[in-house]
Amino acid sequence: GAGVSQSPSNKVTEKGKDVELRCDPISGHTALYWYRQRLGQGLEFLIYFQGNSAPDKSGLPSDRFSAERTGESVSTLTIQRTQQEDSAVYLCASSLVGGYSGTEAFFGQGTRLTVV
Amino acid sequence: KQEVTQIPAALSVPEGENLVLNCSFTDSAIYNLQWFRQDPGKGLTSLLLIQSSQREQTSGRLNASLDKSSGRSTLYIAASQPGDSATYLCAVTGGSQGNLIFGKGTKLSVKP
Repeated sequence: GAGVSQSPSNKVTEKGKDVELRCDPISGHTALYWYRQRLGQGLEFLIYFQGNSAPDKSGLPSDRFSAERTGESVSTLTIQRTQQEDSAVYLCASSLVGGYSGTEAFFGQGTRLTVV
Repeated sequence: KQEVTQIPAALSVPEGENLVLNCSFTDSAIYNLQWFRQDPGKGLTSLLLIQSSQREQTSGRLNASLDKSSGRSTLYIAASQPGDSATYLCAVTGGSQGNLIFGKGTKLSVKP
């Protein structure tokens, strides 16, 4: 696609429910990043994929959070048993290559998650 | 652990002024540095990417410099306009895992 696509753009869920957030990177981009941004705050790193492996998942805040990536394509961030503190905008980015040859990263428009 | 700091946290200037935003990082072993802009309620837009071997990059009224050895980068905006009002973030790629690490941003307001 022309850019990084995230879906849904908005999600309202009840506390305790599971949610899945989707990210479609730019075609051919091998690196994919997930971030969380709470209202008025900076970007909080969650996980980084190079291909379908995750060299760095140190940012996942708890075992309720998990992510997977199919090949060098779509990634899904899953939050189980959502809590109100999970409310935030979840941003995804991709770049042609990550790590040691890091190239320009491009962001999607984000998924705004509200847990009520 | 790499840490990225941006100063100032907020800046307000009158239209037409030239201004400088600062970014510093604790681990100089970076591979590149990227400047982004974020408008309220929006995603991030890439402005400039500087590879670790480069000293500066220019795009229109924007000029970014990189001093890798001292762990600093600056974003220079010439002849600021109200449309430049946004939060500006810098991010570095580096470290053993090759992650993209962000500063907290500088919120810029350009007043007509």
